Formats: sequence, structure tokens, C-alpha cells
Amino acid sequence: SQTIHQWPATLVQPVGSPLSLECTVEGTSNPNLYWYRQAAGRGLQLLFYSVGIGQISSEVPQNLSASRPQDRQFILSSKKLLLSDSGFYLCAWSTLRGAGNTIYFGEGSWLTVV
Amino acid sequence: AQSVAQPEDQVNVAEGNPLTVKCTYSVSGNPYLFWYVQYPNRGLQFLLKYITGDNLVKGSYGFEAEFNKSQTSFHLKKPSALVSDSALYFCAVIPRGDYKLSFGAGTTVTVRA
Repeated sequence: SQTIHQWPATLVQPVGSPLSLECTVEGTSNPNLYWYRQAAGRGLQLLFYSVGIGQISSEVPQNLSASRPQDRQFILSSKKLLLSDSGFYLCAWSTLRGAGNTIYFGEGSWLTVV
Repeated sequence: AQSVAQPEDQVNVAEGNPLTVKCTYSVSGNPYLFWYVQYPNRGLQFLLKYITGDNLVKGSYGFEAEFNKSQTSFHLKKPSALVSDSALYFCAVIPRGDYKLSFGAGTTVTVRA
């Protein structure tokens, strides 16, 4: 069966410091990968998605970037964090082919920028 | 532009009573429709989805959803709610030919004992 791992679960970072959130998927190959952010415990905003190694699409201009160095690894980064980057970040995956594929989410990472 | 509306921020029901969480969508074509649930400080869990076929879709934990094309709605239902169903529920859509989920704002469900 497929599993998704996301870490760290929580982190507190000072303004201006770098960020790296990692996500890996097991039990599947060539997945679509996604990073979402949830602010204020409600709305979910798609940040990045990837359909293959090195293929990253950004949905919203921001202070963040994403990379996919391996087929099942997705990394969210920032060189200098802003206060507004605080939130709950969710990695997700789906199979690449097929209609209406379900998107499955990791357990999320809480980021507090102080 | 596509959108998903969950008209109720909060739904309160007594345990054992039926639960309904409303969702309407504005997406061209015949989108794929989803429901997810989120417990505090957790990721989203998939409940059910509609792709095609029978308008009544059954999912996890006794939940079901009814697709109504003429009303562009996809309401989530449970015949008898449990206290453990208290959580945040999201409706979401993927347009045909796409693979990105767009979410509604979420509905907080509270089931009182």
C-alpha cells in the first residue's frame, strides 16, 4: 500500500531563516505531487505541483520554492522566511494516470515564523 | 473561474441525528467531486468521491454523498451522527482533464452527546 511521509511535523523558525520541508511517497511510482498551505485552520491553497522529476509548477507567486530531486521526493524551501509564511503545510500525492484520481495527504507540518 | 461553495461555516447536530454538510460547485463540464475530513492538527482524510454513474456515493465511516447535476450540488450525509464525527469537512473538485484539487472553505461539524 502507498504511504506518504512528511517532516518535520512542527518547527519554529526566526524571520529571515531558511526553510526545508520534505515529503516522500512510498509504494507507488511516477506520482503527481503537491504542496498545499492551510492558513487559519480553514482554506487550503495549492502552492506547487509536480508531474515528474524536475517539473514544478507554481500556482501562487510567493517567497517559497519547490523541488523534486527524485521521483517520490518533494521538497518545499525558502531562503528567507517571512512572518506571513506561518501556517500548516500539507504534502499530497495522486497517481499520474486515470480519471478523477484521489489525492492523498500527509499529516502536515506546522510552521511558525517568529 | 471554478469555485466550490460550502454555505455553512458550522453545523451542529445531536448524536444519533442525521448529518448533512452542503456543497455546491461552479465548474464547467462534469467535474470530479470529493469530500475530505480533517481532525484537529491532522492532515486531510479522503471520505468519498463522485466520478460518474450512480448519484449516491457511499464512502468511509458511514458517510455518503448525493450528486445533483441540475443543482450542481454534492451534499455529504450521514444517517446517524457520532460524537467522533466532529471535525472540519471539505468539499473539493477536480475539473475534467485536470489533476488539481480546488477546495471549499470548509464546514466545522460539532456533534453533541
